[in-house]
Parts: sequence; structure tokens; C-alpha cells
Amino acid sequence: DTAVSQTPKYLVTQMGNDKSIKCEQNLGHDTMYWYKQDSKKFLKIMFSYNNKELIINETVPNRFSPKSPDKAHLNLHINSLELGDSAVYFCASSQGTGGYTFGSGTRLTVV
Amino acid sequence: GIQVEQSPPDLILQEGANSTLRCNFSDSVNNLQWFHQNPWGQLINLFYIPSGTKQNGRLSATTVATERYSLLYISSSQTTDSGVYFCAVAPNAGNNRKLIWGLGTSLAVNP
Repeated sequence: DTAVSQTPKYLVTQMGNDKSIKCEQNLGHDTMYWYKQDSKKFLKIMFSYNNKELIINETVPNRFSPKSPDKAHLNLHINSLELGDSAVYFCASSQGTGGYTFGSGTRLTVV
Repeated sequence: GIQVEQSPPDLILQEGANSTLRCNFSDSVNNLQWFHQNPWGQLINLFYIPSGTKQNGRLSATTVATERYSLLYISSSQTTDSGVYFCAVAPNAGNNRKLIWGLGTSLAVNP
């Protein structure tokens, strides 16, 4: 009965590959987010969708592309992976501006 | 943009002790949340508290919006309280779903 579930939990891949991370929430929330946490634990928002509409699009390389097929799903596709993309990526959801619920994170390692 | 400063950056407690964590922000906010990231990386929302006081078990939080700070109180600390505590805010001017995060307070509770 996981509220926000991300897959995969771990992802090790070579430079130049393309990969996707999936996120699903069963809380009925209307807003979903992707965050990146770097090695120093700093959290930075990347994207947010509200009812399938992109509402936050931070300055990230255009190799990163979010996709929200419905309000319960928000996927993140990354093209041409680089070493600097290694981080933990968190998905989260909220109802309006209320409290966030986070997924357990995807640890991406690019070698 | 808005600045979020958390103090202290690091804290070591003996089990059973109480502590207060502080979050200062440089502009008026309409969204403020406290999170705990446990040693396994899981991010848990503790409070959604843009103003006022809330309590949840041994934890309580107070936000004085007019003075631009929030406090998180941990009473009778337990080893399971260890981890990093983050404060995140969204300024009044702008997208109130776009949280700006502090650098966190790293707490270690020793048995």
C-alpha cells in the first residue's frame, strides 16, 4: 500500500545511455514533483505537474524530460546520461500546496 | 530569491534529551514544511506549518511568520530521531508549490 512508489530503487548505467524512472501515487493528490538530491544532501526541485499540466520547470538540462500520462503518474526520462547526473532522484506528491509525501528515492549512478 | 537558513548544522544528543532546531527565512512565506530524512534516505513530512503551532507526539513546531522563523522541538529524543531535518518554504511572491529548501540540521542521538 505504498503511497508514492518509484522504480527502480537503484540504477547503475553507463555514460551516454538513456534511462527512465517511474513514479506513481495512490493518494489522489493533484500535484507531483521530481527532486534531485546531490551528494551533499541538497534538495532541488526539477519539475512539477498539477493535473497533468507542467507548472514548475526549473533550469535543468533538456536531456531531462518529464511526462505525466495522468495525475497519478509522473515519469522522468533522461537522455545521454553524464557522470554529473549521478544523484538520488525523489518523486513527491501533494494535494494543492499541502504537505508533501515522498517516494523512497532512486539512486542513479552513472559510470 | 528567498534564503532559508537552518541552525545548528549539526547536533549530537544523548537519548532522552530535548532539542530545538531553527529555520530562518528571508521573505514572507505561504508554505513551510519540516521533513526528516532518516539514515536510510527516506524523507518523511513532519509538519505543514506556514503559521502557528502544531504537535505530533514528541515533536512540535511553531512558525512565527511575521518574524520569519520556525522552530522544531524534539522532546525525549530517541535513537530513531537521528537523521537530517529539513525546513522548506515557498515565498508569498511566486509559485507556492515551489519549495526552497534549507541545508538541513544533521542530528545524531546516541544511546
